[in-house]
Amino acid sequence: DTEVTQTPKHLVMGMTNKKSLKCEQHMGHRAMYWYKQKAKKPPELMFVYSYEKLSINESVPSRFSPECPNSSLLNLHLHALQPEDSALYLCASSQTEGGTDTQYFGPGTRLTVL
Amino acid sequence: SQQGEEDPQALSIQEGENATMNCSYKTSINNLQWYRQNSGRGLVHLILIRSNEREKHSGRLRVTLDTSKKSSSLLITASRAADTASYFCATPYNFNKFYFGSGTKLNVKP
Repeated sequence: DTEVTQTPKHLVMGMTNKKSLKCEQHMGHRAMYWYKQKAKKPPELMFVYSYEKLSINESVPSRFSPECPNSSLLNLHLHALQPEDSALYLCASSQTEGGTDTQYFGPGTRLTVL
Repeated sequence: SQQGEEDPQALSIQEGENATMNCSYKTSINNLQWYRQNSGRGLVHLILIRSNEREKHSGRLRVTLDTSKKSSSLLITASRAADTASYFCATPYNFNKFYFGSGTKLNVKP
């Protein structure tokens, strides 16, 4: 099974809402990633988890809060977002954290902030 | 900026033709990867080429790497309508980060 799943597929939220994005993989990968992708732009790295510990935070605003409950699950908690946070949020995983590994991506969550 | 640049930004060809897209990067790398993204969906890994390799093939894909020029190219031969997608090169940096190039949007007309 080389699949990374993400839920929900689409999410519309107001600026005062609290919501969460979920990502799951069952490939035994020890590194998981969150990316943000705006229209017609490449993905931009947000967070890296390695062995369930936060390894990298690319200076992401605190209204985005990642969580890795176990080695298969990755969440992104959203609170008090701004309209400019509307984007496609992609989760990925790889065997290890090193840059020599292939990253497997989920289909993404299309987020709209009103 | 660490970002690689890809050209062309957009490419439109007929089915059966070959498509070539190029990627340039700025830092030393130990590998370079190519990914495909269908409209608004997740990325799919296509091929990885290591810094000591000059050329690599996978099916209809041919990737070259010139580390002296810090550039790579992806050739898709005998293109199909299903190849319509955006293509990104990705380079690792600082051990555990990936930087994606600006992407080439390929349109293959049936």
